[in-house]
Amino acid sequence: SAVISQKPSRDICQRGTSLTIQCQVDSQVTMMFWYRQQPGQSLTLIATANQGSEATYESGFVIDKFPISRPNLTFSTLTVSNMSPEDSSIYLCSVGKDSTDTQYFGPGTRLTVL
Amino acid sequence: QQPVQSPQAVILREGEDAVINCSSSKALYSVHWYRQKHGEAPVFLMILLKGGEQMRHEKISASFNEKKQQSSLYLTASQLSYSGTYFCGTGSGSARQLTFGSGTQLTVLP
Repeated sequence: SAVISQKPSRDICQRGTSLTIQCQVDSQVTMMFWYRQQPGQSLTLIATANQGSEATYESGFVIDKFPISRPNLTFSTLTVSNMSPEDSSIYLCSVGKDSTDTQYFGPGTRLTVL
Repeated sequence: QQPVQSPQAVILREGEDAVINCSSSKALYSVHWYRQKHGEAPVFLMILLKGGEQMRHEKISASFNEKKQQSSLYLTASQLSYSGTYFCGTGSGSARQLTFGSGTQLTVLP
């Protein structure tokens, strides 16, 4: 199984600022996924990040708000831009080959926007 | 569309059994089951693939009925450590990502 780390583990930010979340995997992986989990809710996919190509965003999520980088096969970043209190959530990255392969989650980043 | 999980919540005594269901309106290729404890990341339990066998993880097993587009998670002789929120994630068609259900909160009491 893949070992995934995320930084920061939590942060408290002011409205209007941006935060970049890092996801590091201990092995090379093709697919990396970014999820949002609002308090008491399920996991909602933000985007899929492939190395060497643009991230693919789900309905309701746009690149200007959630820019993603995927510079290599072990690392990705998600930026939450121009934050508002509604962005307060846990952000998780996960890795997996495709939907028939096991997906593993990182520990998550707990974001609070004041 | 998000798969539907039932029940939304269940409370058990240690040693009792429980069943959690996951139902989709789409044809499914895979169903993944995860358990998430409060403040932690989801932990993978098992994956069921179209045409595959029923899976087991310790005293937890799961089935996948492809025709009905449903999966069930069976927790036998529940332990205190089983407490948490259980999510099913479904894979369908050519999609590489999973779509997660709303979750079932399981509480096991001593």
